[in-house]
Amino acid sequence: AQSVTQPDIHITVSEGASLELRCNYSYGATPYLFWYVQSPGQGLQLLLKYFSGDTLVQGIKGFEAEFKRSQSSFNLRKPSVHWSDAAEYFCAVGPSGTYKYIFGTGTRLKVLA
Amino acid sequence: DAGVIQSPRHEVTEMGQEVTLRCKPISGHDYLFWYRQTMMRGLELLIYFNNNVPIDDSGMPEDRFSAKMPNASFSTLKIQPSEPRDSAVYFCASSPVGGRTDTQYFGPGTRLTVL
Repeated sequence: AQSVTQPDIHITVSEGASLELRCNYSYGATPYLFWYVQSPGQGLQLLLKYFSGDTLVQGIKGFEAEFKRSQSSFNLRKPSVHWSDAAEYFCAVGPSGTYKYIFGTGTRLKVLA
Repeated sequence: DAGVIQSPRHEVTEMGQEVTLRCKPISGHDYLFWYRQTMMRGLELLIYFNNNVPIDDSGMPEDRFSAKMPNASFSTLKIQPSEPRDSAVYFCASSPVGGRTDTQYFGPGTRLTVL
């Protein structure tokens, strides 16, 4: 069965530190992969997406993610975190043939000043 | 563009009452999605429409839930009768034509509390 796992429920980093949020998926074919961010009281906003091609994907707000087929992972990274990055981050997999995206349970990021 | 608009933003009702959530997608978007977000189950797709036609409603939890899209600029999600376990944040999202690779744009959500 298709699934998405975000192993870290909460992550705390200091402002200016680097960040990596983990995402692992289980899917039979090459997946469509997404990272969304949700600020408190807001809807989800797309950070970046991967469908094919270069496995290193650049997104908005200085985020990037790398697709590693051998590890079934699509980790999100940012070299230097800003206080405004505090939010909840969701990884999602898009199964072939439908819009039925499967979302992970989310990672809540806290940024220390 | 105003983005996806949802109303109300907050709804508190009593068990057994009918609840109607409303969504206005971004103009020109052909796809509309309804999601439910809870602590226990995360974000789940309930139903989606293409050109006002329901395509996949397999995520609708039970017959108490129904969704309609009478025109390209309006959709409703109705729960009748409501139950405490329906308490959640309900999101509407829309996506332009072009296939499943397109970005989904989410509204701010409706926080529903059923007492």
